[in-house]
Amino acid sequence: QKEVEQNSGPLSVPEGAIASLNCTYSDRGSQSFFWYRQYSGKSPELIMFIYSNGDKEDGRFTAQLNKASQYVSLLIRDSQPSDSATYLCAASPNNAGNMLTFGGGTRLMVKP
Amino acid sequence: DVKVTQSSRYLVKRTGEKVFLECVQDMDHENMFWYRQDPGLGLRLIYFSYDVKMKEKGDIPEGYSVSREKKERFSLILESASTNQTSMYLCASIPSGGLSTEAFFGQGTRLTVV
Repeated sequence: QKEVEQNSGPLSVPEGAIASLNCTYSDRGSQSFFWYRQYSGKSPELIMFIYSNGDKEDGRFTAQLNKASQYVSLLIRDSQPSDSATYLCAASPNNAGNMLTFGGGTRLMVKP
Repeated sequence: DVKVTQSSRYLVKRTGEKVFLECVQDMDHENMFWYRQDPGLGLRLIYFSYDVKMKEKGDIPEGYSVSREKKERFSLILESASTNQTSMYLCASIPSGGLSTEAFFGQGTRLTVV
């Protein structure tokens, strides 16, 4: 059973701080990794994807991938109350089409 | 603009009823998926389809079936609804090819079985 694990939280950070969200995966064959944000009562929406070891930056967001440790993280700099949401990590396998395995999500709360 | 549309936002059904959840995408994607989302359990894959008339079981297919007669439409069927199928159901559409396979989600259907 392929698994993607996340701490459910809530993770509480003050406004302006860096929020660090973590994710581990069990399938070493996973090739690409995705972070989705889901506001309460809404559908998930893609924030970032990463498939190479190292860091990938997009505005206030940085995704980090360490395939040796099977670890993915998302850093949110200068956190805003509008970043308060559940963040879902997903992994895509290398030879199973386009199927995504999702983690349970981490709830982030950014306090003004 | 990319669009995935689910037929209902909220549904209330009785135990034993046959329930149809419809999903339509306008992006000409080959791949379509049905997930259910429950608190603390994240998104769990029920069924998926890579092509018309093709279907594959996901992680939790029991009590469900699907139909894909046309490329743009993927239906989830609860043959005999039970209270443990009360959940949020999300349809997703994903394009083929490449590593950056972004999933586009519908707005979700919150199903309550009473």
